Amino acid sequence: DAGITQSPRYKITETGRQVTLMCHQTWSHSYMFWYRQDLGHGLRLIYYSAAADITDKGEVPDGYVVSRSKTENFPLTLESATRSQTSVYFCASSESGGLTADSYEQYFGPGTRLTVT
Amino acid sequence: QQPVQSPQAVILREGEDAVINCSSSKALYSVHWYRQKHGEAPVFLMILLKGGEQKGHEKISASFNEKKQQSSLYLTASQLSYSGTYFCGTESGNTPLVFGKGTRLSVIA
Repeated sequence: DAGITQSPRYKITETGRQVTLMCHQTWSHSYMFWYRQDLGHGLRLIYYSAAADITDKGEVPDGYVVSRSKTENFPLTLESATRSQTSVYFCASSESGGLTADSYEQYFGPGTRLTVT
Repeated sequence: QQPVQSPQAVILREGEDAVINCSSSKALYSVHWYRQKHGEAPVFLMILLKGGEQKGHEKISASFNEKKQQSSLYLTASQLSYSGTYFCGTESGNTPLVFGKGTRLSVIA
């Protein structure tokens, strides 16, 4: 199916465990993004990627690691989960990232609700 | 730096109009507007570009004042389906999109 998907949709993990959230898009968009959404904070950018093997930090990158070996995949790893990382995580993709001369809409995945106990 | 949205929340009756504002302290290249319904992902509404070009596909209008670094989203004759949280996102040259904290809009019958 075309679009952008995230897995898992729900995850409960314990403090200190490593967890990976997956994101896959079928449009061959160059740019991909990871956001976290918390009440009162809106959407905050964790990491983004302009192309395969090119990633950069966003506003709140601490405690997270990303990789992008293929254009269509952009996994987000919490190396040692903490309670403060309990949140809803959204992946998005776009033809541009606001870093070029044009601007394109972002398409969001359905989100992953992560609870760290 | 995160753009500031106002109001934080608004309640409308069907058929009423609303304006949501978004302002930034930085010079803006573009402003994006998204709507998020409860429990769902944000969905794109429109982009307003420096120079006046507007891209969008919904029956909702917006303006972009480049000199004041402000944008406003206009929802006229509101419908129940307009309910949700509206986010503006701003681009300032060589930085990725930064979203505001959102405006919660509730339309009641």
